[in-house]
Amino acid sequence: DAGVTQSPTHLIKTRGQQVTLRCSPKSGHDTVSWYQQALGQGPQFIFQYYEEEERQRGNFPDRFSGHQFPNYSSELNVNALLLGDSALYLCASSLVAGNTIYFGEGSWLTVV
Amino acid sequence: AQSVTQPDIHITVSEGASLELRCNYSYGATPYLFWYVQSPGQGLQLLLKYFSGDTLVQGIKGFEAEFKRSQSSFNLRKPSVHWSDAAEYFCAVGATNSGNTPLVFGKGTRLSVIA
Repeated sequence: DAGVTQSPTHLIKTRGQQVTLRCSPKSGHDTVSWYQQALGQGPQFIFQYYEEEERQRGNFPDRFSGHQFPNYSSELNVNALLLGDSALYLCASSLVAGNTIYFGEGSWLTVV
Repeated sequence: AQSVTQPDIHITVSEGASLELRCNYSYGATPYLFWYVQSPGQGLQLLLKYFSGDTLVQGIKGFEAEFKRSQSSFNLRKPSVHWSDAAEYFCAVGATNSGNTPLVFGKGTRLSVIA
């Protein structure tokens, strides 16, 4: 049983560019959440998708957007990249009716 | 709003020694508490969670944590540390015990293990 898988593992982008990160949830899970972990910090909640809609959102600007597909996989999009967007982006999956949240290994984004 | 404080940024212990990592939370209602571990370059692995009931919770890898409501604490312990325990440890709090609750994390405690 595959856990939460994310791609790409590492990427480098230039300021002002756009990036898309992808996540496949653990088999059977219907809820996907995204977190940003800056260097030396704990993860911060960006937003959550369930039934292909954004259900909850943390304190992140509209440059951060997402999508959930019918197969429950998800994308995180960040527009107009800033140097401060450099971080590890973690995807987490869960069952809305469950109580355990599983994390992927993350996508390292470096903005130069 | 919820918040989590992990007072110790970095702790070094000798292999075989006991370990306690501190976590204090702030939340007005019943907290749902978690400890995760992150090895270098890796994602987060759940060690244990507390929702209700017995305040001493057993987790994986020999870890346990004790919920103390009066002290707003949820400290993580291990009787004998192994070199493979060297990692970053995060305490987190959720508003509910459901799978869709956003987690609020502390800044983490880095554990180093020396021979």
